[in-house]
Amino acid sequence: DAGVIQSPRHEVTEMGQEVTLRCKPISGHDYLFWYRQTMMRGLELLIYFNNNVPIDDSGMPEDRFSAKMPNASFSTLKIQPSEPRDSAVYFCASSLGLAGVDGELFFGEGSRLTVL
Amino acid sequence: GENVEQHPSTLSVQEGDSAVIKCTYSDSASNYFPWYKQELGKGPQLIIDIRSNVGEKKDQRIAVTLNKTAKHFSLHITETQPEDSAVYFCAASKGDYGGSQGNLIFGKGTKLSVKP
Repeated sequence: DAGVIQSPRHEVTEMGQEVTLRCKPISGHDYLFWYRQTMMRGLELLIYFNNNVPIDDSGMPEDRFSAKMPNASFSTLKIQPSEPRDSAVYFCASSLGLAGVDGELFFGEGSRLTVL
Repeated sequence: GENVEQHPSTLSVQEGDSAVIKCTYSDSASNYFPWYKQELGKGPQLIIDIRSNVGEKKDQRIAVTLNKTAKHFSLHITETQPEDSAVYFCAASKGDYGGSQGNLIFGKGTKLSVKP
């Protein structure tokens, strides 16, 4: 398997524009996670899915952020409208189970977002 | 909720020396403690983990110790090599309690530099 695949790797956009980040998890993994990484806050969990169903979105910063998983092989994280404070590296990760129970997280290489 | 503190934030050692990174956690119900290594431009990758029924675990040059009473755990790297240079994250989880409680809470990371 090629691992978790994220696109785009880099995105530069202007404030107010819509941003869509994409993720293809490892085949057979039942869990998909979206994380945000910044210097100030480290790795923050935004939302995670189990079998395509959102389970916990308490980490989503505000209504400007939304995530979907229409099928087992694809997920999107959308920011609309984007703001400069959204600039960060966004990671998608997948796992067989939750932490401690086949829960090793396999991360993609991340999408670096810069909002001007 | 769980809070994970990690120290130091940066660590510089000479090749061949040992490196120690320490983490504390707040929730006594946490029972699974993984360590992830993040190389430049990559996503984090699991290097070792420990569960609360074990006090120490070793894998070649890396080892992790856990003190449940004090609620702290540490990563030890012996005979460091330049390729060990990376950012290391500790994390804690309630593991097999499942649901949102099974999520990993990450420390803010330690940037390790190994000088040749």
